[in-house]
Amino acid sequence: GQQLNQSPQSMFIQEGEDVSMNCTSSSIFNTWLWYKQDPGEGPVLLIALYKAGELTSNGRLTAQFGITRKDSFLNISASIPSDVGIYFCAGRGAAGNKLTFGGGTRVLVKP
Amino acid sequence: GAGVSQSPSNKVTEKGKDVELRCDPISGHTALYWYRQSLGQGLEFLIYFQGNSAPDKSGLPSDRFSAERTGGSVSTLTIQRTQQEDSAVYLCASSLAGRTNYGYTFGSGTRLTVV
Repeated sequence: GQQLNQSPQSMFIQEGEDVSMNCTSSSIFNTWLWYKQDPGEGPVLLIALYKAGELTSNGRLTAQFGITRKDSFLNISASIPSDVGIYFCAGRGAAGNKLTFGGGTRVLVKP
Repeated sequence: GAGVSQSPSNKVTEKGKDVELRCDPISGHTALYWYRQSLGQGLEFLIYFQGNSAPDKSGLPSDRFSAERTGGSVSTLTIQRTQQEDSAVYLCASSLAGRTNYGYTFGSGTRLTVV
């Protein structure tokens, strides 16, 4: 079946830093989505990407749909403490309506 | 409702007991999904309902797991003879039919602990 590899698994941020995470797939996706999950809550949609090469921003967040349709990245610019949480990529293939999720990137604040 | 509602928010049960988890999707959303999130892990697909079609049960890990959706709205996920490895957060999501390009809306989940 389809698999998404998300990296890094975790990262520490310092306020003001830019951070990046990415997902790669073993197969082509038609839609890429990025979600953020805060403790005790369900994931919330941040950005949706629909076309290969598409670059979309949502405030300090920028995500791109890779031209091979097998990868996507998410950048967070000028990070702030409330950026901590778990970020998930998700993709939808050609068949069906299910989303496949990556394993998540846990963003933590540097001590 | 305004969002996806799940109950209970937390459930502690003894090994071997049956549990029922409830999901109330957004009004008008005909697609409903159950995912499982083990501690520190990603989201594992369990089951998907779309309107009156037969559900996609391909993600259910064993025959102890079942789900139903009554009247095209509320869904119940049932786990029979719970085991410790069933401990996880169970997330429900819903979407408009055929509109998963816009993502799902998730509930806050039910945290299940089997002791």
